[in-house]
Amino acid sequence: EPEVTQTPSHQVTQMGQEVILRCVPISNHLYFYWYRQILGQKVEFLVSFYNNEISEKSEIFDDQFSVERPDGSNFTLKIRSTKLEDSAMYFCASTKGVGAKDYGYTFGSGTRLTVV
Amino acid sequence: KNEVEQSPQNLTAQEGEFITINCSYSVGISALHWLQQHPGGGIVSLFMLSSGKKKHGRLIATINIQEKHSSLHITASHPRDSAVYICAVRSYNTDKLIFGTGTRLQVFP
Repeated sequence: EPEVTQTPSHQVTQMGQEVILRCVPISNHLYFYWYRQILGQKVEFLVSFYNNEISEKSEIFDDQFSVERPDGSNFTLKIRSTKLEDSAMYFCASTKGVGAKDYGYTFGSGTRLTVV
Repeated sequence: KNEVEQSPQNLTAQEGEFITINCSYSVGISALHWLQQHPGGGIVSLFMLSSGKKKHGRLIATINIQEKHSSLHITASHPRDSAVYICAVRSYNTDKLIFGTGTRLQVFP
């Protein structure tokens, strides 16, 4: 069964530091996403990425956040200057397609980010 | 108001019981997803529905588009079914998922 791989599984960082969360989506998937889940809360959408550009982003995804697909396989989320409130589990997800024909989403196992 | 509401929030059951988790949504949707989240945090996709009913093993998912409601049923529940079950929808003109708050299920032997 193909998997979405996320690294690291857990990262602790000092407030104000930059972090990069990495994801390797399934190779034939075309749509890529980052979601986050603050402890005890529901999963929230951050950003979607298709055809090498952001297709949609939420209000949470401000100028401190950026995404990149630098080499056709990795999909990264960068947080430029972390805040305490960025502490959360970050999930990467991918799907083959949406729209006229929906496919299921595959989620990575998450990166737990702790900002201290 | 949340666009996706789930009930109950918490559910405990004895092994072997029939479980029902409900999901109501307020937006027009292209698809509804049922997901499972284990204590370690990982999310696994169980079903994607746009109409009718799907079955996989002891799990059954149904959706009523007119009533904007879906149910997830677990027959002959087992302690290994203990997890958080999440309903998420994809509405028209967007490719993101909108998540419910989840239902925490504990099945005791």
